[in-house]
Amino acid sequence: AQRVTQPEKLLSVFKGAPVELKCNYSYSGSPELFWYVQYSRQRLQLLLRHISRESIKGFTADLNKGETSFHLKKPFAQEEDSAMYYCALGFTGTASKLTFGTGTRLQVTL
Amino acid sequence: EAGVAQSPRYKIIEKRQSVAFWCNPISGHATLYWYQQILGQGPKLLIQFQNNGVVDDSQLPKDRFSAERLKGVDSTLKIQPAKLEDSAVYLCASSRATGGKNIQYFGAGTRLSVL
Repeated sequence: AQRVTQPEKLLSVFKGAPVELKCNYSYSGSPELFWYVQYSRQRLQLLLRHISRESIKGFTADLNKGETSFHLKKPFAQEEDSAMYYCALGFTGTASKLTFGTGTRLQVTL
Repeated sequence: EAGVAQSPRYKIIEKRQSVAFWCNPISGHATLYWYQQILGQGPKLLIQFQNNGVVDDSQLPKDRFSAERLKGVDSTLKIQPAKLEDSAVYLCASSRATGGKNIQYFGAGTRLSVL
């Protein structure tokens, strides 16, 4: 069965500190991994996906198939990064459903 | 472009009543999804449509939940009769096509409270 694990419900960091939001997955096939973000009073939106290998708002994530991980990182946290972050696992093929983790709330304080 | 529209934003009903949610996807998006998000959990897919056909409804509780997308555009999700455990946010999403690489765009959701 496909599963996404985000071990931390809440991550609190100081402004300017590095951030790492953890995500582990289990899937026997070839995974597609995503990070979605939900800012206060806004809708869920895509932050980045592993296939793009891009940096969005200073965030990066590398797919590590050996460790089945897709951790989200940012070297210097900003106040505006405070939000709920969800890791999601998608599948190749005709169906494209996403399996989401339980989410991590990132709180950036001064 | 306009985003995914959902209504109503909030709904409060008593158990055993029925309720319906409406979703209008982004224009041109062939694939539509309904997710259920219970407090403290991530969204869980209930049903996926490709145009007006069902692609995946394996996690839809079919004894009480139903969904349709008759003309391949708008969709409605119905619960009849509602149970206390159905209290959740119901999210609609759409994507241009199927396939894991397609980005899903989410609506603001409908928050359902069953008393």
